[in-house]
This record gives sequence, C-alpha cells and structure tokens, in this order.
Amino acid sequence: GAGVSQSPSNKVTEKGKDVELRCDPISGHTALYWYRQSLGQGLEFLIYFQGNSAPDKSGLPSDRFSAERTGGSVSTLTIQRTQQEDSAVYLCASSLDPGDSIYSNQPQHFGDGTRLSIL
Amino acid sequence: AQKITQTQPGMFVQEKEAVTLDCTYDTSDQSYGLFWYKQPSSGEMIFLIYQGSYDEQNATEGRYSLNFQKARKSANLVISASQLGDSAMYFCAMRGLGAAGNKLTFGGGTRVLVKP
Repeated sequence: GAGVSQSPSNKVTEKGKDVELRCDPISGHTALYWYRQSLGQGLEFLIYFQGNSAPDKSGLPSDRFSAERTGGSVSTLTIQRTQQEDSAVYLCASSLDPGDSIYSNQPQHFGDGTRLSIL
Repeated sequence: AQKITQTQPGMFVQEKEAVTLDCTYDTSDQSYGLFWYKQPSSGEMIFLIYQGSYDEQNATEGRYSLNFQKARKSANLVISASQLGDSAMYFCAMRGLGAAGNKLTFGGGTRVLVKP
C-alpha cells in the first residue's frame, strides 16, 4: 500500500545486543518522526527529520539511541546495547512539510510499529 | 513545555449513542494545533480530526467533531452514533508551530468500548 511501512513488525533480542528498526515513509513526505509507546511512559517523541535540516534529537532517551535518514526517504533507528527498559512499540510517522504557518494542519501518518522485546 | 491531559482512562458507550472524550492542554505557545488519533487493538494510529488554535469554528469530520474551548484550554472529541468499530484507544495530541514545535505531545489516552 501507500502507507508508512515499518520493519520488522516484531523483534525479540537479548539484553546487550544492538537492534535496527526501519521506516519507509509515504512517498513525497519530507517530514519523518519516531515515537516510542510503552505501558509506563505512554507515547513519547524520539526524533524528527525534515528535509535536509539537522534532525531534532531532543527526545532520544540516551546516547545508545541514534537515527539516520538516507536520501530524504528511508530512516533507521538504532539502539545499541539494548536494555530491558527499551522494550516498547516503536512508531514511525511521516507528513508533508508541516511548515511554520499557524494554518498548517498536516497530520502525521503512522506506520504499524515495531514491537521490540528485550529478554 | 506542552502537556496534554486525558482524565478518562476508559469508558463504555452504547451503540448508536454519542460519546464525549475529554482533553485539556497546557501550553505557553500562542499558536498550536490539536489532533485526535484512534488506535484500534491492531495497533495502527489513525488520524481523525484537527483543530487549529486560530480556527474560529469547531472542526468536524463525519461522525467526529471537536468541542474546542480555547479559554478553557480544552478540545473534547465527540463521536456521534457510536459503532462497534469505534472501540479503540483515543489519543489527544498537540503540536506547536514553528521549527521547534513539529513533534506531537500526546495525552495518556482513553479506551472506549462500544456495547451492542
């Protein structure tokens, strides 16, 4: 389909391992976001990419988390030396350029998420 | 900083009746956008409706409408004529405007169960 695609849909790994989560945004969407959804913390913003601008990394919880977006399209979220508290659903979203206008109403369209379980 | 509060963790509604989901927010921004999303048990987040802080009229999208009261900082979602397929988690979210504000801040969500 034409929606946001995330892979894998489920990932189980041992504590201390590195994981990579992939997001393929909707074609033509210049903005890409990563969020994390967990029982204890709800939905939390992680990182935001917009075009060629420097990403907003203000939501990354530690330096074990990093993300990149290649060619303005596909993004990869990497978690190094995973911990049990990293277990969550990682959601990717994309949108058209939200812009700075107060009249901008571009919604973010979400993928189905990657459910990450750290043993 | 922005904060979204949804005070109803869960609620039941009879099929074909209307239901109102509460959302209050706190922000120091003069301009902002408010969104409602639906998350069924399958997990995907589905965009429902948007209200801009400068919009003078309440937003409507089919069976969804927003009761936006700016002075009270509330943006309650009204679902009319509930259907069984409306059973889901509902999240209120806020987006600031401008380069620093494009991320969404979410409330804790309200779980709705529609009874036949």
